[in-house]
Amino acid sequence: DADVTQTPRNRITKTGKRIMLECSQTKGHDRMYWYRQDPGLGLRLIYYSFDVKDINKGEISDGYSVSRQAQAKFSLSLESAIPNQTALYFCATSDFVGRAPYNEQFFGPGTRLTVL
Amino acid sequence: AQSVTQLDSQVPVFEEAPVELRCNYSSSVSVYLFWYVQYPNQGLQLLLKYLSGSTLVKSINGFEAEFNKSQTSFHLRKPSVHISDTAEYFCAVSGTSYGKLTFGQGTILTVHP
Repeated sequence: DADVTQTPRNRITKTGKRIMLECSQTKGHDRMYWYRQDPGLGLRLIYYSFDVKDINKGEISDGYSVSRQAQAKFSLSLESAIPNQTALYFCATSDFVGRAPYNEQFFGPGTRLTVL
Repeated sequence: AQSVTQLDSQVPVFEEAPVELRCNYSSSVSVYLFWYVQYPNQGLQLLLKYLSGSTLVKSINGFEAEFNKSQTSFHLRKPSVHISDTAEYFCAVSGTSYGKLTFGQGTILTVHP
């Protein structure tokens, strides 16, 4: 089984709809991240969480919210989806600083979201 | 603050030719450097990393990268590419103990027969 899973893998939705993307991990890592990937822009950080009680905005958090339900689960929500949120979304995990100061990250397979 | 620039957005090469994907970074602190690979319709996988020690690091499938502190570069090379190397490659830097990765824009490597 994959260490980092994302659901759904593909989603088509309409403008104005609320949508949630879910991420689960079995690596036992404290840190979790949400990125979006757009062609030519690389990966941009939306939100990150260093533990269940610690959630931080990334560089492009507007229009998104997150919930860290447990160490293993980190969900990304689009409260009112708009077409320019059409992108590939990745969840990632990493170990805590004491064990991995270099912050190697492990990625899920991605969710392809289309907002019409 | 840290940033990463991948100097080529697309690199087309023929099979068995050598290839170099260029990456430059900026950071005010010591860095850890990574190359990730994304095969079509897949997530990102770590290809290789520089943490400390030898400045030349290698992957299991023949890629290598050299950390050059004076030129703030971490270019990825392979002496002979295969069709299966076709993918998008991302350079990334982590420069603080707080541990966020900053990614470059990606380079699409296309290997032609």
